[in-house]
Amino acid sequence: EAQVTQNPRYLITVTGKKLTVTCSQNMNHEYMSWYRQDPGLGLRQIYYSMNVEVTDKGDVPEGYKVSRKEKRNFPLILESPSPNQTSLYFCASSWGQGAGEQFFGPGTRLTVL
Amino acid sequence: GQQLNQSPQSMFIQEGEDVSMNCTSSSIFNTWLWYKQDPGEGPVLLIALYKAGELTSNGRLTAQFGITRKDSFLNISASIPSDVGIYFCAGRGSNYKLTFGKGTLLTVNP
Repeated sequence: EAQVTQNPRYLITVTGKKLTVTCSQNMNHEYMSWYRQDPGLGLRQIYYSMNVEVTDKGDVPEGYKVSRKEKRNFPLILESPSPNQTSLYFCASSWGQGAGEQFFGPGTRLTVL
Repeated sequence: GQQLNQSPQSMFIQEGEDVSMNCTSSSIFNTWLWYKQDPGEGPVLLIALYKAGELTSNGRLTAQFGITRKDSFLNISASIPSDVGIYFCAGRGSNYKLTFGKGTLLTVNP
């Protein structure tokens, strides 16, 4: 089954404790992206990757890092999480250089205390 | 940057009614996408539009790519309770960046 998977689905952590949210897709998509969703603000792009070893900042990259060492994986790293990073995070992928329809993962709900 | 205005923010309707929502942009888009998000899930693509003036249907859903390339609308006919959710529009410009609207929360009263 073609899908985007994220882990964990839920995470509660404390300020300053490094964490990684994994994202994996099995559709051989070149383009992958991370979004955060907050009430009243909709979906905002954090980082995206056009292909392996190619990443770029989205609209709200501060406090986040990403890496793209393999085509299928695109982890999101929070080196020192803060409470304002409490949010619902979505990973997405698409074919081409982002020109195709984006397929979303199920989401990761992160709470930073 | 590009801005998308999606309206209405929320709708509360009776089962069987038709629904209409729209998005307008401050700049031209080459692609319009409409997504639905169920509670606790990620957005799922409903309809993709690639050409100005294009009108596309998916079951009871119909969406159109505006002639000016700065707007799009989504209609849902004969709504049913499972139509409940948040509907997002998204537009893609020449730089391939996807910009999302803030969503329309649809509630259907049985």
